[in-house]
Formats: sequence, structure tokens, C-alpha cells
Amino acid sequence: SQELEQSPQSLIVQEGKNLTINCTSSKTLYGLYWYKQKYGEGLIFLMMLQKGGEEKSHEKITAKLDEKKQQSSLHITASQPSHAGIYLCGALVGGSEKLVFGKGTKLTVNP
Amino acid sequence: DSGVTQTPKHLITATGQRVTLRCSPRSGDLSVYWYQQSLDQGLQFLIQYYNGEERAKGNILERFSAQQFPDLHSELNLSSLELGDSALYFCASSLGDGSTQYFGPGTRLLVL
Repeated sequence: SQELEQSPQSLIVQEGKNLTINCTSSKTLYGLYWYKQKYGEGLIFLMMLQKGGEEKSHEKITAKLDEKKQQSSLHITASQPSHAGIYLCGALVGGSEKLVFGKGTKLTVNP
Repeated sequence: DSGVTQTPKHLITATGQRVTLRCSPRSGDLSVYWYQQSLDQGLQFLIQYYNGEERAKGNILERFSAQQFPDLHSELNLSSLELGDSALYFCASSLGDGSTQYFGPGTRLLVL
């Protein structure tokens, strides 16, 4: 079965700093999703990547899918307290619409 | 706001009881997905419905069942509840063609 490993598990940064979260898959990724979750709340869709080498940006968040399609990174530039939360990567299990998720990365941004 | 609604927001019940969680998908979405999020297991896929028909099943317990109605809303029924069923239950919806799944706010279930 496909597994996603996220690193780091948690991250504490000062406001204004850049940071990167990684998501590594045990199998080829056919669709990689990034979501953000505030504690105990719903998941907010951030971005979806499908093609190897693809890169997408939204405001100060950039996500990339590597050429071999087994790893994705999420980069936040000039972090703000509003970026705090749990970032989850999710991948479609090949040939289905089931999403498997990593355990999440908890981000704290100190003002 | 994702456009996916879930009720109730919170539910507290006792072991052995049965509860029903409700989900209304985004307008135009035909597919509904149910996920369970717990501290030890993380976010786990339970089941998917597409236009009223079951399309995919994950590690859903036999005590759990779901259905999607003609108006496309879905219900997840949990019976013979155990302490370990306490979790956040999310519903997501999509067009059903592998497109982005949008999640609802979740139902927090506490079994005492």
C-alpha cells in the first residue's frame, strides 16, 4: 500500500522566515494534494500537482513535485502567523480516487 | 468556506449507541467521500459514493455504513459504538473524475 512520510513532524519559526515541508511517497505519485488544517477544523485545499517537475504558487506558498514523482515540497516565503496550522499532503492511490495522507506537519509561527 | 456542509458539528454519545452523520456536497459535485481522523491513525479514507452508488471502500468497519441519496447528500451511520470510534469524521466532495476533493468542517464524535 502507498505510504506518505512528511518531514519535519513539527516546525517552529520566527515570523518572516522561510520554511520547507517535505512529503515522500513509497510509490509513484499520480496526484499530490496539499491541504492546511487548523486544529480540529476542516481541511483547506491549497494546491494539487500532477506532472513531474510541476510547480505551483499561491500567494507566498509554492509547491513542487519532483521529476521522479515520488516527492513533493511545500515552501513558504516570509512566514506569517496566519500560516500556522497543520499541513497535510495527500496522494491518490493509483487508479482510484482514494486519498492517502501523511501524518502532517505542525507549523507554529512566532510573531 | 469549501461549500461542503456537515451536521452535527459535535456529537457526544455512549458506547453501544448508534449515530448518523450528515453531509451535503458542494453544488454540482457528484462524489462524496468519508474520512476518519484520529490521533493514532491520522486521516483515513472510509468510503466513496458517486451519484448514489458506492464506488470505493477503504478500511471501513462493518459496524459503519453509508449511503448517498438522490439529492446527493450522504449519511454515515455508525453503530455499536466503541470508545475507539471517537474521532473527527470528515466528508469531502468532488466532481468524481479524480478532481480536487473539498472537505467539510467535520463532525467531532466523542464516545463515552
